[in-house]
Amino acid sequence: GAVVSQHPSWVICKSGTSVKIECRSLDFQATTMFWYRQFPKQSLMLMATSNEGSKATYEQGVEKDKFLINHASLTLSTLTVTSAHPEDSSFYICSAFSTDRSYSNQPQHFGDGTRLSIL
Amino acid sequence: DQQVKQNSPSLSVQEGRISILNCDYTNSMFDYFLWYKKYPAEGPTFLISISSIKDKNEDGRFTVFLNKSAKHLSLHIVPSQPGDSAVYFCAAIRKGSQGNLIFGKGTKLSVKP
Repeated sequence: GAVVSQHPSWVICKSGTSVKIECRSLDFQATTMFWYRQFPKQSLMLMATSNEGSKATYEQGVEKDKFLINHASLTLSTLTVTSAHPEDSSFYICSAFSTDRSYSNQPQHFGDGTRLSIL
Repeated sequence: DQQVKQNSPSLSVQEGRISILNCDYTNSMFDYFLWYKKYPAEGPTFLISISSIKDKNEDGRFTVFLNKSAKHLSLHIVPSQPGDSAVYFCAAIRKGSQGNLIFGKGTKLSVKP
């Protein structure tokens, strides 16, 4: 079935560092990718929707200058957390949307997430 | 405003018995519903889905029921197994959206041997 690869799976870094997270769709083309954030014992909160070749659409309350999203190809989207601070520590998950009929029962395919810890 | 609600944060059942996870929604424009299973520090895993034109979909031990008039859906797992212990998220898609999933807050299922 469809596979979405998210890298890295765990990042620990100092406050003020910028961190880039990659999301790749391995066996299908994803015109749309989504970025979610999950706090402990909370639901997955959509941060932004990323369409290939265009600017991402951010959800209300999400700082676009803080969370830079690039979707330069049909198989790769990146999320860069700029000048990360401890409050940015969270679990970030990407998903890729496929219009391929063979995946029609599951519109989004999720990566395994990235645990970001800012010291 | 929570459009997809999972009012039970946790559920504990005995191995071999039925697990019933509930989900309510408020937006009548939702036309596709999904259930995901999630372990800590992992991405969600798709379990089963149902279109709004159906009232039941079954896949092995998992059955999803949809009651459109009540805006309610449920996931039945039978028989429950210890490996089913995880957090289960209900999600919905609005008609015409590009696959944007609206998630509930999840229900933590514990299946005891």
